[in-house]
This record gives sequence, structure tokens and C-alpha cells, in this order.
Amino acid sequence: KNEVEQSPQNLTAQEGEFITINCSYSVGISALHWLQQHPGGGIVSLFMLSSGKKKHGRLIATINIQEKHSSLHITASHPRDSAVYICAVRAMYSGGGADGLTFGKGTHLIIQP
Amino acid sequence: NAGVMQNPRHLVRRRGQEARLRCSPMKGHSHVYWYRQLPEEGLKFMVYLQKENIIDESGMPKERFSAEFPKEGPSILRIQQVVRGDSAAYFCASSPLSGATLYYGYTFGSGTRLTVV
Repeated sequence: KNEVEQSPQNLTAQEGEFITINCSYSVGISALHWLQQHPGGGIVSLFMLSSGKKKHGRLIATINIQEKHSSLHITASHPRDSAVYICAVRAMYSGGGADGLTFGKGTHLIIQP
Repeated sequence: NAGVMQNPRHLVRRRGQEARLRCSPMKGHSHVYWYRQLPEEGLKFMVYLQKENIIDESGMPKERFSAEFPKEGPSILRIQQVVRGDSAAYFCASSPLSGATLYYGYTFGSGTRLTVV
């Protein structure tokens, strides 16, 4: 069974702080996604990665395939970054099978002004 | 490019009624995925469809739930005889190709929030 664990579950920080959210998973994967969900809102895909590192604005995502671990970093955090950040993985299957994602429970981030 | 469109955004149903949730994928996307988000829980995969085919429904409850993606029109997630436990946010995502590719991500809709009273 594929498990996706995120830490921390809840994080409150001050504006300007450097934020790190962690994701660990238990099976071999073909891709890992970081998603953002605002309260009452839809889900936005931030990154999809299978190796190395990606950067978009103040967001950086890294993945270590050997250690089955990924991190999402936010530099110079701002109150508008307050949201739930969700890690999701697509497991590697041989010869067909489910093509959906397995999700972590999310990290609730609050950035205070 | 309107993105993935889900409607309605909010749906209230009485116990025993039917709920129909619609998802129109992004233009050019032929793969649709449905996910359910129960209160205080993570998203759970329900079903993966291509046009006129159910590819994987391993996440669907065995009874009362069905999904389709006809040749024309949106994908429909149907819940018959709803119960309070069906109250959740239901999200649809689409992608242009099979998820087996590493180069195409998923685009999510804004979700339908179902409340069963």
C-alpha cells in the first residue's frame, strides 16, 4: 500500500520567513506533485517533478528518489501564501493499473503579517 | 482556455436523492480523474476515465456511485440515494495523455461541494 506522509500538519509563521514542507512516500513513483488549495477553493498544481529540483518564483521543489522524499520551500513568505499544500505521488505500475494519484493529507500553512 | 470546469460549485441534496456532478476537461484533454475530499481528510482517487471508457474504478464505492465520460459532453459522476456520509468536495482533473507520461501534469477543477441534509 502506498503511503504519503507530510510534515508538519500545521505551520504558522511570520511574513518573510523561509518555509519548508516535507513529503515522504513508501513506493517507487513515476512522478510527484505539489498542489495548493486555498480555503473553499479549487486545487492548483504547483509542480510536477520526477528528479532534481524545480523553481517557480518564490517556490522551490526538490525530490530525492533514493530517499523517497520531497520538500517544498517558500522563500520570503507572504500572507497570500496561506493555504493547504498537498503532496501527491503517482506510483510506478507495470502493465496497466490505476493511473490516479495518492495524496498526503496536506500541510495547513498560515503566514501572519 | 477555460480550464477544467466543474458544476455545480455547490450542491445540496436530501438523503435519498440523486446527485449528478459534471466535469468538462480542458480542451484537448481526453483523460479525466475524479477525486473525493472528505472533511479533514486527504483527497482520494475514485475513478479514471477516457472517452467512452472506464479505465480504473478501483476507488469507487461498490454501490450507488457511477461515472461516465461519453463521446460528447462532460464527464458525469452520479451518486444515487445519497447519504450524509457522501458530503464532501468532489474534484475532477484532466490530462492530455495517459498519466504514465512524465511530461504532462494534471489540471484540476474548482470542485463541487456536496452537502447531504
